Amino acid sequence: DIQMTQSPSSLSASIGDRVTISCRASQTIGGFLNWFQQHPGKAPQLLISAASNLPSGVPSRFSGSGSGTDFALTIDSLQPEDFATYYCQQSFSTPYTFGQGTKLEIK
Amino acid sequence: QVQLQESGPGLVKPSETLSLNCSVSGVSISNYYWSWIRQPPGKGLEWIGYISSGSTNYNPSLQSRVTISVDTSKNQFSLKLTSVTAADTAVYYCAGRGRRQCDNWGQGVLVTVSS
Repeated sequence: DIQMTQSPSSLSASIGDRVTISCRASQTIGGFLNWFQQHPGKAPQLLISAASNLPSGVPSRFSGSGSGTDFALTIDSLQPEDFATYYCQQSFSTPYTFGQGTKLEIK
Repeated sequence: QVQLQESGPGLVKPSETLSLNCSVSGVSISNYYWSWIRQPPGKGLEWIGYISSGSTNYNPSLQSRVTISVDTSKNQFSLKLTSVTAADTAVYYCAGRGRRQCDNWGQGVLVTVSS
C-alpha cells in the first residue's frame, strides 16, 4: 500500500493568515492526489482533485500543488469556516489511502 | 444536485454481518464509481472499496469479508461486511462519482459493534 504522510498534524493560525499543509507519498503517484476538508461531525468534502483542480463551488483561496511524491494545500486569507481537519488521499493505485489528517485550529 | 444517503442498523453484534445501503439521487448510478469509506471514532479515513458497472475493487485488508453491490432498479448500492468485531466500529460513508475522486458524500452512519 502507498503510505501518505501529512505535516504538520496540527496547526494554529489566525483569520487572514496564509497556511500550507504538506502531504508526502511513499512512492510516486503522478498527480493523483485529492484533498478533503472535514468539519466535526460532518462528512468529508472534496476540496481539490488531481493535485490542483478545484471543483465547482470551492473558494479560490484554496489551491493545490505538487506531483510525484510531494504535494501541498495552501489556503490564502483564512476564513472562520476554514478551521477544520484536512486529509490528502492518493488515487494512483488501490487501495486508495489517506493521510492521517491535519487539524487546523484558531490561534 | 447529487445526493447520497446511507441507511442501516446502527448496532451490530460481534461475528455478525454489517449491512448498509446508500441511496443515490440526482444522477444515474450506472454511470459512475461508488465507494464506501469508514472512519473509526476520533481517527482517520479508511477506503473500503468501490463498484462501477458491476466491477468491484476492495481494500485487501478487508477483501475476505467485504462485498459491495449495486441495485440499478433502486439507484442504490450496498455494503456487506461479515464477521465484524469491535475494530469495525466506525462511521461509514458512502461516496461516489469519478474513478479517482469522491465528488459527493453521504452524511455518514455510525455503526457500533457490540453485544
